[in-house]
Amino acid sequence: GQNIDQPTEMTATEGAIVQINCTYQTSGFNGLFWYQQHAGEAPTFLSYNVLDGLEEKGRFSSFLSRSKGYSYLLLKELQMKDSASYLCAVRAEEGTYKYIFGTGTRLKVLA
Amino acid sequence: DAGVIQSPRHEVTEMGQEVTLRCKLISGHNSLFWYRQTMMRGLELLIYFNNNVPIDDSGMPEDRFSAKMPNASFSTLKIQPSEPRDSAVYFCASSQGRGAAQPQHFGDGTRLSIL
Repeated sequence: GQNIDQPTEMTATEGAIVQINCTYQTSGFNGLFWYQQHAGEAPTFLSYNVLDGLEEKGRFSSFLSRSKGYSYLLLKELQMKDSASYLCAVRAEEGTYKYIFGTGTRLKVLA
Repeated sequence: DAGVIQSPRHEVTEMGQEVTLRCKLISGHNSLFWYRQTMMRGLELLIYFNNNVPIDDSGMPEDRFSAKMPNASFSTLKIQPSEPRDSAVYFCASSQGRGAAQPQHFGDGTRLSIL
């Protein structure tokens, strides 16, 4: 079967660094995406990893280890507006563009 | 450029009624995805089209659900008859469908409540 695991909730303080983990067991692997979703809004694309290593984009970085079926999203210099759900999604099948989504991690940033 | 446009934003109706959700893709995109999101099950893929052709409808819960893509820029998701357990947020997303790194872009969703 296809399975993606993320912690349900995390809490962190403004200005801090937080790491949100994602582990996956899928029949195949053709890329991993991270999305941000504020309450009541649509998911928006944050990052994409297909090769092992770290991809950095401003305050956000995403890491992938394909051998371990593991990714993390690192958020630095947290701001109150970073309070949102963070969704990990894997494209498991070559030749298709569909994703399998995790249930998301709700991040609360406290002042 | 306009993003993915969904309508209606909110729909409240009584069980047994037909519900039609609409989606306009981003210009130039050729892959279309319908998702349902609930607290319990998260974001679930219902059906996926590529170049107007349904590729994978394995996520469609039952025959009460149907989706069409009559042209390259527009899609509908229909529920008939609707039931209270269909209450959820329904998202439509599109992507360029070329290249592995192309992300999906989501519409603002339709909040559906079946009474």
